[in-house]
Amino acid sequence: VVMTQSPLSLPVSLGQPASISCRSSQSLVYRDGSSNLNWFQQRPGQSPRRLIYKVSNRDSGVPDRFSGSGSGTDFTLRISRVEADDVGVYYCMQGTHWPYTFGPGTKLEIK
Amino acid sequence: EVQLVESGGGLVQPGGSLRLSCAASGFSFSSYWMTWARQVPGKGLELVANIKGDGSEKQYVDSVKGRFTISRDNAKNSLYLQMNSLRDEDTAVYYCSNGEQGDYWGQGTLVTVSS
Repeated sequence: VVMTQSPLSLPVSLGQPASISCRSSQSLVYRDGSSNLNWFQQRPGQSPRRLIYKVSNRDSGVPDRFSGSGSGTDFTLRISRVEADDVGVYYCMQGTHWPYTFGPGTKLEIK
Repeated sequence: EVQLVESGGGLVQPGGSLRLSCAASGFSFSSYWMTWARQVPGKGLELVANIKGDGSEKQYVDSVKGRFTISRDNAKNSLYLQMNSLRDEDTAVYYCSNGEQGDYWGQGTLVTVSS
């Protein structure tokens, strides 16, 4: 399954919203009806950290500024108000069809 | 607190072997799928292999099938990746993570394949 993301580069002013789109080449609906679409954040020099699982569920400790939505093949990560700490690369990952695959990443920077 | 600590990376010649280890703590290790992923420095992420909690199921990405073997020792809360017939393109930071969906990740260990 090929995952695509847009934009690949995202300059955002502090306090402004940001949105990243992720599209899969096949439906990510699993046999139980859920979709295994995850979002990860990788800050400079750090390991990836999962933010969102199953499309819209925030992981423990993730600020509610982050939200996920979508279905089928189209998904979105939104940040309501960008903070300096949000700088890094954001990846979507599908975990429905092995091999699980990542998008190319979206680099978020402060304008 | 979940902790995943990888070790075993280093410099190896093409065709050589290396065994990576991941020491896990802070969760019920035997109940979790575990995953190895890799990242070429400055590039994207790739899942390499995963293994079910009891070790009964294993999956590999095509590029490593027949060369890499994932295993685990639940008594030691440890995950392993035996890498044989290494190629230049296997050069990457290797991460272990818990869960099928990459719940938590370790800090990674760098594997460099070069003559």
